[in-house]
Amino acid sequence: KAGVTQTPRYLIKTRGQQVTLSCSPISGHRSVSWYQQTPGQGLQFLFEYFSETQRNKGNFPGRFSGRQFSNSRSEMNVSTLELGDSALYLCASSLGPPGASSYEQYFGPGTRLTVT
Amino acid sequence: AQKITQTQPGMFVQEKEAVTLDCTYDTSDQSYGLFWYKQPSSGEMIFLIYQGSYDEQNATEGRYSLNFQKARKSANLVISASQLGDSAMYFCAMREATGNQFYFGTGTSLTVIP
Repeated sequence: KAGVTQTPRYLIKTRGQQVTLSCSPISGHRSVSWYQQTPGQGLQFLFEYFSETQRNKGNFPGRFSGRQFSNSRSEMNVSTLELGDSALYLCASSLGPPGASSYEQYFGPGTRLTVT
Repeated sequence: AQKITQTQPGMFVQEKEAVTLDCTYDTSDQSYGLFWYKQPSSGEMIFLIYQGSYDEQNATEGRYSLNFQKARKSANLVISASQLGDSAMYFCAMREATGNQFYFGTGTSLTVIP
């Protein structure tokens, strides 16, 4: 079974631009979560989608948005990029829905975004 | 309050020795899951082990075991017979049954010395 895939793996953008990152979960997984990882802030939760609905959202500005498609694939978008958005963006999929505390998340390799 | 606390920013262990990575958690839920992940320098997070709050026995997965002390709200990861490939960041995480997201600790950087 294929793992979680994320595209692109690396991205360089300039301030003010927008970016869209893509995530394909493990086949059969309907829950997709996004995280931002930086050396200073660690791993921070962005949002979680299940069955095309955003179920949880972290404490990020509205410039960060996401969506999930009927095939469970997910995209996240960051508009008006700032230097501080430079980070590793990780996507994780899970078999269980929110509320199912026993289901582990499986992570993709991440997209490393650099904003100049 | 922090949901997950990892108090050891960095740890060193001799190859073939055992090492314990500490994790404490905070929740008022009765039902929750505890997880450990490994993140090598390549960046990908690798799931290692899971412990449910109602599990009476400590979880084990190969060389990994989770020392679960519910009353103390601790979920320490024990790696036996350390290998050079164990050098990585290790994250403790929790998910509550009340439907919220995974909470991650700040991680512990483990270095295995030959």
